[in-house]
Formats: sequence, structure tokens, C-alpha cells
Amino acid sequence: ETGVTQSPTHLIKTRGQQVTLRCSSQSGHNTVSWYQQALGQGPQFIFQYYREEENGRGNFPPRFSGLQFPNYSSELNVNALELDDSALYLCASSWSGTGSYEQYFGPGTRLTVT
Amino acid sequence: GENVEQHPSTLSVQEGDSAVIKCTYSDSASNYFPWYKQELGKGPQLIIDIRSNVGEKKDQRIAVTLNKTAKHFSLHITETQPEDSAVYFCAANSYNFNKFYFGSGTKLNVKP
Repeated sequence: ETGVTQSPTHLIKTRGQQVTLRCSSQSGHNTVSWYQQALGQGPQFIFQYYREEENGRGNFPPRFSGLQFPNYSSELNVNALELDDSALYLCASSWSGTGSYEQYFGPGTRLTVT
Repeated sequence: GENVEQHPSTLSVQEGDSAVIKCTYSDSASNYFPWYKQELGKGPQLIIDIRSNVGEKKDQRIAVTLNKTAKHFSLHITETQPEDSAVYFCAANSYNFNKFYFGSGTKLNVKP
């Protein structure tokens, strides 16, 4: 069984640019959630994808968008980057079934916006 | 939405002692409460979880207790070891939905 993987590991972008982060879910999982973790804080929910559609969204502006592919992998896209977007971006995979709640996180992508 | 508060923010214990981290939540409809351990440069690792129909759960040196009436839950680590040093996060879900609200984290330092 393979775990959750994310790419790239680190990324440096300039304010105003766009970025795409990628996540491969754990084998057997059909749902991917994305979180933003600022330094010294707990992860904050961005959105979740299930069956290739957005299934819930946190308090993030529309310039944060995503995709899920038929193999359940996912992308997070951020447009018009701002300095405050600098953070660790985590994806978590899970199985959306009755009574199933466990989420397993990847190692994250560290995004620095200068 | 749900609000999760976590205390203390830092905790230093001697190897072999016990450590307790406490969290409170605001949404009485939350029904799943996981705990994660995050080491430097890594993603959060699920270490134990508890559901609202259970009051306590143990896994070797780790235990979690839940008080639904008071809306608080706690992580207990016994016989702490230096490798337990990390940041620990509690979380609560939106009812029957796996969107998690996280606490602000507790940095645990176990001194040899």
C-alpha cells in the first residue's frame, strides 16, 4: 500500500505568479482534502474533492482552485500569489464511505512567495 | 463553524513522565476527534482517534479521552520517550463530514 505523495517538495514563487501543487492519494482512497499550514499554526481546511468535484470549501478566496482526476490524484492551483500564501500545503487522502473519517496526510509542499 | 482550542502550546517533560494535552471544541455535532503528531519537515501523522460514541481509547502508551458533555478531549502519553518529541495537533470534524478543524498545536519536548 502506497502512502500519500506530494510534489514538488519546495517551491519559490514571486508575488502575482500562479502555482500548481500535486497530490497522489493513498491506494484505495477516493477523496482528497487540501490544507494550508502557516508557520507555527495548525492546518486550515481549503477544500475537498470527491468524485472529481469540489465537496466542501473553507474560508479561502476563489483564486484557490483544484482538480481531482479519475485516478483520485489531485491538484491545487493558486492564482495571483500573495506574500501571505507562503505556507506548507498539505493534502490528505481518505475513503468517503459510511462512518469512515480517517485522513492520512502527505509530507506537504513548502511554498515561499517573495 | 467549529472552533478547536488546544492547551498547552508547549510542554516539557522528563523522559518516563506522562504528558497530557487538552482540547475543547464548540460544535456539539462533531463526532470524530483525531490526534496527529507532526515532526519537523513532515506531514501530520495520525496517531490515535476517537468517535463520539466512545469515552476512552488506548493504544499502547497513548490514550485519548472524550467528554461530550463538556466538549473536551485529551491526549495522554505515558512513559514518554525522546522520540515522542514533536508537535501534536488535535482536530474535530464537521458532523459526518471529513473536513477537519485543527487546534493550534502543542510542542512536546521530552528531555532525556
